[in-house]
Amino acid sequence: GQQLNQSPQSMFIQEGEDVSMNCTSSSIFNTWLWYKQDPGEGPVLLIALYKAGELTSNGRLTAQFGITRKDSFLNISASIPSDVGIYFCAGPPQDTGKLIFGQGTTLQVKP
Amino acid sequence: NAGVMQNPRHLVRRRGQEARLRCSPMKGHSHVYWYRQLPEEGLKFMVYLQKENIIDESGMPKERFSAEFPKEGPSILRIQQVVRGDSAAYFCASSPLSGYEQYFGPGTRLTVT
Repeated sequence: GQQLNQSPQSMFIQEGEDVSMNCTSSSIFNTWLWYKQDPGEGPVLLIALYKAGELTSNGRLTAQFGITRKDSFLNISASIPSDVGIYFCAGPPQDTGKLIFGQGTTLQVKP
Repeated sequence: NAGVMQNPRHLVRRRGQEARLRCSPMKGHSHVYWYRQLPEEGLKFMVYLQKENIIDESGMPKERFSAEFPKEGPSILRIQQVVRGDSAAYFCASSPLSGYEQYFGPGTRLTVT
């Protein structure tokens, strides 16, 4: 079945640093979603992308929909301790209603 | 404007018992999805429902698992005769339209002893 591959698997950075993570697929997606999950909680939607090449920002977060439609990137600028968590990319394969998720990128920020 | 509600947040069942998980979607959302998350893993799709209809149950185990979204009331995910391998976090999500952003509830953590 379709899979989303996220990298890196984990990151340990200093507060104030910028962070970049990506998500790739072997097949085309028409929607890319980025979520953040804190321990014991449900995923929270950060950014939604609908158009190839689209670049969208949400505060210190910026995400891009790759031109090939097979990848997406999430950048976090000037990280702070509350950015700690697991970041997931997700998308609906073949425009079905369901989402498939990447394995997640675990971010730890050292104050 | 309440988000997606799930209850209970934690559920403990002995092997062989039934587990019933409830989900109330966001106001105005008529599409409900259930996902399962094992420790250290991403979310895995189980089932997609609209009011009184199952749209896609391709991720549901063939036995013991069922889901419904009645005309009135919350969506229910039912697991009969639970086994230890059913221990996981179960998340419900809702959306106003299929294929658009899905908003997740806080999850129900099921522990089978």
